[in-house]
Amino acid sequence: EPEVTQTPSHQVTQMGQEVILRCVPISNHLYFYWYRQILGQKVEFLVSFYNNEISEKSEIFDDQFSVERPDGSNFTLKIRSTKLEDSAMYFCASALDRGETQYFGPGTRLLVL
Amino acid sequence: SQQGEEDPQALSIQEGENATMNCSYKTSINNLQWYRQNSGRGLVHLILIRSNEREKHSGRLRVTLDTSKKSSSLLITASRAADTASYFCATVLDAGNNRKLIWGLGTSLAVNP
Repeated sequence: EPEVTQTPSHQVTQMGQEVILRCVPISNHLYFYWYRQILGQKVEFLVSFYNNEISEKSEIFDDQFSVERPDGSNFTLKIRSTKLEDSAMYFCASALDRGETQYFGPGTRLLVL
Repeated sequence: SQQGEEDPQALSIQEGENATMNCSYKTSINNLQWYRQNSGRGLVHLILIRSNEREKHSGRLRVTLDTSKKSSSLLITASRAADTASYFCATVLDAGNNRKLIWGLGTSLAVNP
């Protein structure tokens, strides 16, 4: 069964460093999302991506964040200068159509020291 | 105000019992989705129920939706220890371009052997 994959599974970085979180969505899906979950809190929407552009972003997704789909398979989230409060589990998701079932990757646990 | 709120926040039952979790939301939805998350792991899609549906089944899972009360319930019948996890409802609004998921805080279910 097709699945969304994410790498790395864990990432530890120093405050101020750049990180790139990678995702490979399900191959025939067209809508891509990033969410994050701070420990003990609810899952929060970060950004959605369709047709090679951002279709919506949340307040969290400020200028320090960017997304890219550099080729036909990868979908990346970059945080330019990490802050302590960026420590969270980051989930990538993809969907065949908007509003339909979103399939999630296993997440990347990011720890900013 | 939060779109999705589950109750109870925590539920502890014996194996074989049924578990019922509820979710309330505030604005009109296109659909509502239930997800499961094992401790610190990824989000697994369980069921999607559309705003024009009232009930849906999948194996031991039964989901109901009452749009007049803006609420949904997830029933797990004949629970097993392996059902121990957090369960989240997530709504897709009936407006907006990209149909992101808006999440509740979740119900933590413990099924005791």
